[in-house]
Amino acid sequence: QQPVQSPQAVILREGEDAVINCSSSKALYSVHWYRQKHGEAPVFLMILLKGGEQKGHEKISASFNEKKQQSSLYLTASQLSYSGTYFCGTDNAGNNRKLIWGLGTSLAVNP
Amino acid sequence: DVKVTQSSRYLVKRTGEKVFLECVQDMDHENMFWYRQDPGLGLRLIYFSYDVKMKEKGDIPEGYSVSREKKERFSLILESASTNQTSMYLCASSLPSFSEQFFGPGTRLTVL
Repeated sequence: QQPVQSPQAVILREGEDAVINCSSSKALYSVHWYRQKHGEAPVFLMILLKGGEQKGHEKISASFNEKKQQSSLYLTASQLSYSGTYFCGTDNAGNNRKLIWGLGTSLAVNP
Repeated sequence: DVKVTQSSRYLVKRTGEKVFLECVQDMDHENMFWYRQDPGLGLRLIYFSYDVKMKEKGDIPEGYSVSREKKERFSLILESASTNQTSMYLCASSLPSFSEQFFGPGTRLTVL
């Protein structure tokens, strides 16, 4: 089952904050976050693992609520470079092989 | 600088042709993946491989096959290309543990 991302799109001014959510109907072992700029490959942001471990970039923060089967990505003090489409990938099997990807959240940061 | 490279950025083929998309990674990763990305459908896993000569079907394997004869190379084969296989194809690789996937630049395939 594909995870549901919300919102579908968001427009910010530089310096504003945003939260992107990713919800799954199945139990989650891990949630992976990526950003893709137009015409480029997706780039890794963060992995959140069951049990609380996180791996990722220091400037990005995220949460993982195992009970609610959802994750949130927090973008604070947004910069122009944050623009792009954010995808979450969920691992429902615990083997890091078959991630199921959400449809993405389009983020535009304007000056 | 770690890299995943794909054989072509753009490819145009005719219906019925056999198409080979190649992916090479230089990170000694065990896992390799082939995805297709379509507007409104997101990233969908076609096949992945967790070791040389080992493969597993993803969510949309129909019409595709794969080959992994060497650790660094993972090929996607469209046995008889059809117009509904027009898409962006992305290759990725990763370590076997919970780690990031490194994506290649993608191949935009058009089947006429």
